[in-house]
Amino acid sequence: SAVISQKPSRDICQRGTSLTIQCQVDSQVTMMFWYRQQPGQSLTLIATANQGSEATYESGFVIDKFPISRPNLTFSTLTVSNMSPEDSSIYLCSALEGSNYGYTFGSGTRLTVV
Amino acid sequence: AQTVTQSQPEMSVQEAETVTLSCTYDTSESDYYLFWYKQPPSRQMILVIRQEAYKQQNATENRFSVNFQKAAKSFSLKISDSQLGDAAMYFCAYRKGNAGKSTFGDGTTLTVKP
Repeated sequence: SAVISQKPSRDICQRGTSLTIQCQVDSQVTMMFWYRQQPGQSLTLIATANQGSEATYESGFVIDKFPISRPNLTFSTLTVSNMSPEDSSIYLCSALEGSNYGYTFGSGTRLTVV
Repeated sequence: AQTVTQSQPEMSVQEAETVTLSCTYDTSESDYYLFWYKQPPSRQMILVIRQEAYKQQNATENRFSVNFQKAAKSFSLKISDSQLGDAAMYFCAYRKGNAGKSTFGDGTTLTVKP
C-alpha cells in the first residue's frame, strides 16, 4: 500500500500566522483528504483535495481559512491561515488508492497555536 | 447522513485473551465498505481490516476478525490472543461504495493488561 510522508510532525505557531502542512505519497493515488483530530477524539473531515482543481470543503470549513492544493496525484498541502488557539489540533492527511481500499494516513501534524 | 456509533469509549483485555469492540452504523445505501482502523499512541493511523457490504463472509486478518451483521447494521471487531502492541484507539469507519470520504466513529480506547 501507499506510504505518506507528512511534515512537519509538530509546530508551535503564533496567533495570526499561517502554517502549511505537506503530504507526499510514494505512488499515485486517486483521492486525498485532510482531517482534523483533537487528541483522543474522532476525525473530522476538512476537505477532499482534488487534483488540478479547487478542493471540496465540508460544512464549517472554508477555503480562505484552509486553502488546499493538489498539483498532482502524489502531493497535497493544507494551509491553516490566520491561526488562533482554537486551531490547535492534530491535522492528518489521508489517501485512497482505489475504491476497494481503505485509507492510508500520514503520521499527522500536531499544531499548537499560542 | 450516515452515522457510525461506537458505544464503548474504553475497553480492556488481559494479554492473550479475546476482546470484541462494537460498532453500529446507519445507512440507506446497499453498496458500501466498512473498516476498522487502529491508532496507537504514536498517532499513525493504520488500516486493520475491511469488509465489503456485498460479501456475506466475515473478513479475517490473522488475529483480527469481524462479525458483520448487515440487517442489524452491526460491525464488531474481534481481537484474539491479544498482545501488548494491540493497545490503541480503534475507529470504525463507513464509506459509501462510489464515494471517497469516510465517516468515523468516536473511537474505542483498548488497554491490554499484562
